[in-house]
Amino acid sequence: DADVTQTPRNRITKTGKRIMLECSQTKGHDRMYWYRQDPGLGLRLIYYSFDVKDINKGEISDGYSVSRQAQAKFSLSLESAIPNQTALYFCATSDAQQTYIQYFGAGTRLSVL
Amino acid sequence: EDQVTQSPEALRLQEGESSSLNCSYTVSGLRGLFWYRQDPGKGPEFLFTLYSAGEEKEKERLKATLTKKESFLHITAPKPEDSATYLCAVQASGGSNYKLTFGKGTLLTVNP
Repeated sequence: DADVTQTPRNRITKTGKRIMLECSQTKGHDRMYWYRQDPGLGLRLIYYSFDVKDINKGEISDGYSVSRQAQAKFSLSLESAIPNQTALYFCATSDAQQTYIQYFGAGTRLSVL
Repeated sequence: EDQVTQSPEALRLQEGESSSLNCSYTVSGLRGLFWYRQDPGKGPEFLFTLYSAGEEKEKERLKATLTKKESFLHITAPKPEDSATYLCAVQASGGSNYKLTFGKGTLLTVNP
């Protein structure tokens, strides 16, 4: 089984719909991250969490919210999806000492029509 | 603002044809430079960490090197299974130690 699991793997939704992407990990790491990847733009950080009570905005947080339900679970929500949120979304984890070694899930491909 | 530029955007090689990928960076103070590999349909996977100019790391057919302005990922006698997108990232020494700034990646295709 994968150490970092993202669900769903693919999702098509309509403009204005609320959607939640889920991430769970078995690495035992405290730190979790949400990124989006767009062709020609690379990976960009949306939100990150250092522990259950510590959630922080990344460089592109507008239009997104997150919830850290437990050490192992970190969800990303799009409150009202718009077409330019069509992208590949990745969840990642790291331990507190080696934050540069991030373990990524397989990604969620989201299309907003 | 930290910046990472990778070149070329895409590289096509024949099996056994060695080459290099480039990652140039601008950062106020470098804590570390990192190489990741990303296969289609998967998330990036960590390969190497480089901390200071002159440092080199090797893994199988890959060798990463670092200067004060750029890093190279040398691929010696590549095989088709080396085909992937290679991502470079930097972490700055100032401020929070969580943030990785990624480049856009180089898509490597190795033909048999």
